[in-house]
Amino acid sequence: RKEVEQDPGPFNVPEGATVAFNCTYSNSASQSFFWYRQDCRKEPKLLMSVYSSGNEDGRFTAQLNRASQYISLLIRDSKLSDSATYLCVVSSLTGNQFYFGTGTSLTVIP
Amino acid sequence: DTAVSQTPKYLVTQMGNDKSIKCEQNLGHDTMYWYKQDSKKFLKIMFSYNNKELIINETVPNRFSPKSPDKAHLNLHINSLELGDSAVYFCASSRTPSGGAWETQYFGPGTRLLVL
Repeated sequence: RKEVEQDPGPFNVPEGATVAFNCTYSNSASQSFFWYRQDCRKEPKLLMSVYSSGNEDGRFTAQLNRASQYISLLIRDSKLSDSATYLCVVSSLTGNQFYFGTGTSLTVIP
Repeated sequence: DTAVSQTPKYLVTQMGNDKSIKCEQNLGHDTMYWYKQDSKKFLKIMFSYNNKELIINETVPNRFSPKSPDKAHLNLHINSLELGDSAVYFCASSRTPSGGAWETQYFGPGTRLLVL
């Protein structure tokens, strides 16, 4: 079983739409959770960390559900510039590394 | 100022050749990584060094040999290149080896390797 699983998509949504991505993780000892964004032919970049109480950054909201071992990312009022691949990342002290999901592809259509 | 830099950005070479990719970070981080991203876009950890010591060595052919001369540099040498080695190789760094206290990773721009 993979450490981190995501729906690869693709998600094609119109501008202004709200879109949500989910990600599940297998290690209950996981301690830190992140969403990264990767644009085409670019490196992954941190979008936001995911805190236990949930957190919001502008149009982006991240949630963590430890009981069900999943994290989510909600994007409101989608912009064309949101088109990218969104990577779920989980880490734990026991694993001593960061585990990446396969990414979810988002295309925002005019 | 580039935080994590890699050279070369592109590398096209013949099967059987030996090549190296260099990585440097100026963030003062203790931990550096090499990842391989294949055509299916899956980002797979290859190696991790913490303060010049190897801490992660995933199932990678021994044709791949990392070397960390100091904690700001992590190079990757590949012997006898094969067609299947074609991929994008990303270097990354983080302050500590894993996500304690929300440590995050910073990635270099990637090295696009094409083996012909």
